[in-house]
Order: sequence, then structure tokens, then C-alpha cells
Amino acid sequence: GENVEQHPSTLSVQEGDSAVIKCTYSDSASNYFPWYKQELGKRPQLIIDIRSNVGEKKDQRIAVTLNKTAKHFSLHITETQPEDSAVYFCAASQRGGATNKLIFGTGTLLAVQP
Amino acid sequence: GAVVSQHPSRVICKSGTSVKIECRSLDFQATTMFWYRQFPKQSLMLMATSNEGSKATYEQGVEKDKFLINHASLTLSTLTVTSAHPEDSSFYICSAVQGLGEQYFGPGTRLTVT
Repeated sequence: GENVEQHPSTLSVQEGDSAVIKCTYSDSASNYFPWYKQELGKRPQLIIDIRSNVGEKKDQRIAVTLNKTAKHFSLHITETQPEDSAVYFCAASQRGGATNKLIFGTGTLLAVQP
Repeated sequence: GAVVSQHPSRVICKSGTSVKIECRSLDFQATTMFWYRQFPKQSLMLMATSNEGSKATYEQGVEKDKFLINHASLTLSTLTVTSAHPEDSSFYICSAVQGLGEQYFGPGTRLTVT
């Protein structure tokens, strides 16, 4: 089955700096890669996603890149703000597959220092 | 976005008792619901996939007789933790999907077994 690895586990940046979180996946059949932000004790919230037919997607300060050949995808947050502090999870899925289930990475605790 | 609710939000029970958690999609019909468990500072681990009117599909290592899932309608799935023990204490989160669309997460249920 699918296995998703995520690095780093913790990331501390100064306000205004950029943050990059990287994930790798194992199943070449995966074709949908969402990123979630989760605050303590709250539900995960979808912040951006990318499908396998696209190499990059951007939404204001957030961007995601995908390298299908290497099975890597990354989240880039620019001009970080203290309110970006949270745990971020990547995930992989087979949209259009039998189950559409998400396999999550291990998470990255992002701390943005004011 | 779509709204998914969970009830209760927090529950404390004694060891050996059973606890039922409800997951409802409030404004759409969920053909599939997923149940996840999240231990402190860890990732979301998929427990099972639940399709309306059929038996749930459990992930490897998840005991189906301990974690009973019933997807009785297109808007309701329940997870019953039977004979709960302290090691079952966790944050349980459901998500709901209409067709092969985006997963919408519930707010989670914090279970503490004493």
C-alpha cells in the first residue's frame, strides 16, 4: 500500500521568512496530493492540493510543487506570519480509484517566531 | 465548504465500557465516510472506510470487532469503541465524501478511557 514520508518533523522560522515542507510517496498510482493545516485539537483544514497532471500550483503565499518521476511533492509558504504556526500534513490518494482514501504523512510542526 | 459534525466532542468513560461516536454530513449526502485515529503529536491514521449500506473496510491492524462501524444512511456513520481500555484513548476524526470529491473532516472526538 501507499506510504507517505514527510520532513522535517519540526520547523522554526522567523516571521517573513519562507518555509518548505517535503513529502515523498511510494505508490505511483497516487494522483492527488492535498496539504492540510491542523491547529491543536481542531480538524485538519485543506489549504492547497495538486493533481498529478500538474507540476505546480500557487495560491497567494502558498504553493505546492510535484515531481511525479521522483515521487516528491513540497509545500512552500512565503512571507510567513505567526498565524501560520500549526501542524501541516501532506497526504496522497488515488482519485478515481476504488476507495479515494487518504494516506497522511507524519506531520510538520511549524513555528513562526514573531 | 461542506459541513461535517461529530458527537460527542469529548467523552470520558470507564475501562470496559463501550462508547459510540456519531459522524454526520449536514448539507450533503456522503457516499463514503472515513474514520481516523490520531494520538498526541502524531499523524492521522486511517482506521476504516465506510460505504452506506455495506460493511466497512478496515485497515490492517484495526480490529473490526473492537471498532464497530455502521453507515446506516447517507448522512450518518457511527463508530463504537467496544470494551474500551486506556490505550484506546485518542482523538477520533471522521471525514465524509460525496462521490470521489474532497474529504470534509469532522471536528473530532476526544476519548479518554480511565
